Amino acid sequence: AQSVAQPEDQVNVAEGNPLTVKCTYSVSGNPYLFWYVQYPNRGLQFLLKYITGDNLVKGSYGFEAEFNKSQTSFHLKKPSALVSDSALYFCAVIWGTGGFKTIFGAGTRLFVKA
Amino acid sequence: SAVISQKPSRDICQRGTSLTIQCQVDSQVTMMFWYRQQPGQSLTLIATANQGSEATYESGFVIDKFPISRPNLTFSTLTVSNMSPEDSSIYLCSFQGQGPTDTQYFGPGTRLTVL
Repeated sequence: AQSVAQPEDQVNVAEGNPLTVKCTYSVSGNPYLFWYVQYPNRGLQFLLKYITGDNLVKGSYGFEAEFNKSQTSFHLKKPSALVSDSALYFCAVIWGTGGFKTIFGAGTRLFVKA
Repeated sequence: SAVISQKPSRDICQRGTSLTIQCQVDSQVTMMFWYRQQPGQSLTLIATANQGSEATYESGFVIDKFPISRPNLTFSTLTVSNMSPEDSSIYLCSFQGQGPTDTQYFGPGTRLTVL
């Protein structure tokens, strides 16, 4: 079965430290990978995506993610966390040929402490 | 980027009643989606709504319970019918650009509480 896993319900980091939010997937074919962020009481906002090409993609607010095909992962990273990065992060995978399907991960809550 | 809005932002409803949620996009879009999200949890796709055709429902969701309208390329409604407390959730509308490589844009959500 197709699936997306965000193995950590919560990630805690200190402000200024690097952060990583993990995402792994299991889908057939070549996936399109996305990260979205949800701030309290707001809808999801797009951060970045991998479609093809360079495995390292850069997105909004200084975030980046690396597509690793052999490990079927797409971890979200930021070199220096800010308190304002505290939010709920979702990994999403789109796959298929002809008819595409989207799966969202369960979400990872990021807490950045000052 | 396009702006997407939802009405109402929140509502408290009685068991057995129905609520219609409106979703408005400020540009024409082909595919619109309706999701359900328990607070702090992941999104579950209810249905895909394309203008001019019947909505396509995901497993576990049926048209009688969640009728959807898509009268034009900028607007859609989702009705939650004969509500029960289990329907309490956040309902999100979304649209995607021209294809699967395009970003999805989400509305701010409608927080529904059923008593």
